[in-house]
Amino acid sequence: AQRVTQPEKLLSVFKGAPVELKCNYSYSGSPELFWYVQYSRQRLQLLLRHISRESIKGFTADLNKGETSFHLKKPFAQEEDSAMYYCALKEAAGNKLTFGGGTRVLVKP
Amino acid sequence: DAGVTQSPTHLIKTRGQQVTLRCSPISGHKSVSWYQQVLGQGPQFIFQYYEKEERGRGNFPDRFSARQFPNYSSELNVNALLLGDSALYLCASSLLPAKGGETQYFGPGTRLLVL
Repeated sequence: AQRVTQPEKLLSVFKGAPVELKCNYSYSGSPELFWYVQYSRQRLQLLLRHISRESIKGFTADLNKGETSFHLKKPFAQEEDSAMYYCALKEAAGNKLTFGGGTRVLVKP
Repeated sequence: DAGVTQSPTHLIKTRGQQVTLRCSPISGHKSVSWYQQVLGQGPQFIFQYYEKEERGRGNFPDRFSARQFPNYSSELNVNALLLGDSALYLCASSLLPAKGGETQYFGPGTRLLVL
C-alpha cells in the first residue's frame, strides 16, 4: 500500500530565508505527486504537481524516484507563505489521493 | 462559481446516531470524492463516485456509505457513530475520475463532533 511521510510537523523560518518541506513516499509503481496548501480559514487547494513541472508562488518540487522523495522548496520565504502544507500521492491507475500528515510553516517577520 | 459546497458546516451528534453530509460539486464536475481529516492528520480517502457509480473505496467500515445523484451532488452517510468519527469531512470534485493529473477541488468541509 502506498504511504506518504512528512517528517516535520512544524517549520519555522524567518522572512527571506529558504524553506524546504520534506516529503517521502512509498509506492511500487509510477506515482503522481502533488503539494496541497491550506491557508488560515481557507479550503485545501492544489499548489503544484510534479507532472506540470511548474513553479507556483515561487515554490518548486522535484520528483526523485531514486530517493522516493518530492520535497517542496522556496528560496525566499514570505510571511504569506505561512500555512499548512500537505504532500499527496495518487496511483497512476487509481482514483484516490493518499496524503501525508502535513507540515505547518510559520514565516516570522 | 461558488466552488464545491458542503452542508452543514458544523454538526454535533451523540454516539450511536446516524449522520448525513452533503456535497455539491463545481458545475460541470462529474466526480466526487470524500475524505476524513482527523485533527492533526492529513485527509484520508473514504470514497470516490463518478457518474453515480462507486469508483473507489478507502479502508473504512461498512458504517460509512455514500451515493451520488443525477445532478452529481453527493451524500455521505455514517451509521452508529463512534467518538472516533469526530473529524472534518472533506468533499472534492473533479471533471473526471482523478487520473492523468486531473485536479481535485476541495470544499470547506463539515466538522462533525460525536459526543
